[in-house]
Amino acid sequence: DARVTQTPRHKVTEMGQEVTMRCQPILGHNTVFWYRQTMMQGLELLAYFRNRAPLDDSGMPKDRFSAEMPDATLATLKIQPSEPRDSAVYFCASGLGSLAGATDTQYFGPGTRLTVL
Amino acid sequence: AQSVTQLGSHVSVSEGALVLLRCNYSSSVPPYLFWYVQYPNQGLQLLLKYTTGATLVKGINGFEAEFKKSETSFHLTKPSAHMSDAAEYFCAVILYNQGGKLIFGQGTELSVKP
Repeated sequence: DARVTQTPRHKVTEMGQEVTMRCQPILGHNTVFWYRQTMMQGLELLAYFRNRAPLDDSGMPKDRFSAEMPDATLATLKIQPSEPRDSAVYFCASGLGSLAGATDTQYFGPGTRLTVL
Repeated sequence: AQSVTQLGSHVSVSEGALVLLRCNYSSSVPPYLFWYVQYPNQGLQLLLKYTTGATLVKGINGFEAEFKKSETSFHLTKPSAHMSDAAEYFCAVILYNQGGKLIFGQGTELSVKP
């Protein structure tokens, strides 16, 4: 049963520290998405990649957030320095994008619950 | 711009009663529409989707949704609620002409009373 995996599942850190979240997409999927979920804002798309290249990161605060795909099996989301307002659940999702650019079903990981004190 | 509106942030039904979760969308092009479910402390799971073809779509766990273009709606229904259906439900539309970005509604929390 292929699944998206995310590590860590929970992270508590202090303001100013660097946070790295990792995602392993489903093997064969060529599109990876990062979402953030908060009570106030709901689900927000932060960034996404197609074939490891960033397609859109307009939802991401550029000064402190960065997203990369070092290889096809790993996506990372980093926050440096972290702030209390970054506390949220961060989800990774993967899917198979068509030639036309659309991605049909997205498969979500279990999320990383981040708390910044 | 495309957007999704879910009517009612909280819906409560009795076990065995009809479940109806409302979703309306705005889109300048034919949409792909999705319903996802999120159980506590878990990620989102696809319930069902509409892309093309038959407008009544059946999903997992007895849920179904009907795409009504004239009403720009994609309401989710289940004839008989079960306690295990208690979760948060998200309607979403995909921007298929922009690389597949999912736009989510704000979510509806479903409670099921015994």
